[in-house]
Amino acid sequence: ELKVEQNPLFLSMQEGKNYTIYCNYSTTSDRLYWYRQDPGKSLESLFVLLSNGAVKQEGRLMASLDTKARLSTLHITAAVHDLSATYFCAVDSRANYGGSQGNLIFGKGTKLSVKP
Amino acid sequence: NAGVMQNPRHLVRRRGQEARLRCSPMKGHSHVYWYRQLPEEGLKFMVYLQKENIIDESGMPKERFSAEFPKEGPSILRIQQVVRGDSAAYFCASSPRIYSGNTIYFGEGSWLTVV
Repeated sequence: ELKVEQNPLFLSMQEGKNYTIYCNYSTTSDRLYWYRQDPGKSLESLFVLLSNGAVKQEGRLMASLDTKARLSTLHITAAVHDLSATYFCAVDSRANYGGSQGNLIFGKGTKLSVKP
Repeated sequence: NAGVMQNPRHLVRRRGQEARLRCSPMKGHSHVYWYRQLPEEGLKFMVYLQKENIIDESGMPKERFSAEFPKEGPSILRIQQVVRGDSAAYFCASSPRIYSGNTIYFGEGSWLTVV
């Protein structure tokens, strides 16, 4: 069974600090997604990572993918309150489990709280 | 360009009633996916549909749940004889083709509460 594990599940940090969220998955996959979810809202796509060594940055967020280690990271630089949300990583199940496209396996999410 | 549209946004049903959730994909998208999110959990895949076809229903509970995406009109997720454990947020997503590197786009969700 393909598993996706995120840590930490809860993260409280001060504005201006840096931190990293980790996403481990149990087998190879050819794409990994990061999403943001605000309370009671839908999922906002942040990054799609397609290959080993891929690095993408948007504002204070940077995501990377190491397919050999089966690890993706979401790095937060100089956090601000507006980044408070729950962040999910998700892995495409199709590559190794024959799942269909769109059959994404999600981690449990990292609930980030940025305090002034 | 409107995003993925879901309705109702909030639905309250008594145990034993039926719940119908509707989803209109983004314009130009022909693939629809339904996910369920339990409180404090990540999303769980339920079903993938194309027009008039169920492609993958590996995540659908065997009983009481069904989904369709007719030739005309929105996709419908139907839950018969709801129980308290069905209380969750149900998200619909759509895509044109996913393996060009595109992500899939999620709707705002439908929050079902069973009382």
